[in-house]
Amino acid sequence: DAKTTQPNSMESNEEEPVHLPCNHSTISGTDYIHWYRQLPSQGPEYVIHGLTSNVNNRMASLAIAEDRKSSTLILHRATLRDAAVYYCILRGDSNYQLIWGAGTKLIIKP
Amino acid sequence: NAGVTQTPKFRILKIGQSMTLQCTQDMNHNYMYWYRQDPGMGLKLIYYSVGAGITDKGEVPNGYNVSRSTTEDFPLRLELAAPSQTSVYFCASSGPSANEKLFFGSGTQLSVL
Repeated sequence: DAKTTQPNSMESNEEEPVHLPCNHSTISGTDYIHWYRQLPSQGPEYVIHGLTSNVNNRMASLAIAEDRKSSTLILHRATLRDAAVYYCILRGDSNYQLIWGAGTKLIIKP
Repeated sequence: NAGVTQTPKFRILKIGQSMTLQCTQDMNHNYMYWYRQDPGMGLKLIYYSVGAGITDKGEVPNGYNVSRSTTEDFPLRLELAAPSQTSVYFCASSGPSANEKLFFGSGTQLSVL
């Protein structure tokens, strides 16, 4: 099963952009890159996902490297409510055993 | 649209007791999952199901059982609770494609004393 590597924690100032990196060097051609975040005492919630092209939604942007071995979640203007643990996982068809690492704890400083 | 609903939110068990964690979803998803999360760690898959009547083990199935008699419900049974099962349990559901996102319940905090 494909694994991902993320920094344990990152800090950012409020209202500044945040770039959260994820390495996935063993990604297969059909794996989608998914990002979820987990606010304190809550279940994970979906943020964004993509296959090859960069993706944007109202929450964030996902930049995917050309070789797909890494990706970056971009929060354009972080707020205190974005403080959470962010998980990058790979999801392929018929791959049920998604591997969740410890994620990146994002700390937002006011 | 309620999404994924888990009950109870909190529970304290004594060693050796049994209980069932309930999970129901109203999105007609075929795929359902049970995860556990220990403090500071990521999620570990306990069991999953790809449809009614079909279940399979994940990474950490020992001490747990599941059933899937309907599309909506996926209960997790703990037999003979042990302190090592103290954790937060999350149920999730999704469609079958890798291009579909997972939806999570709000979790059950279980303590075994």
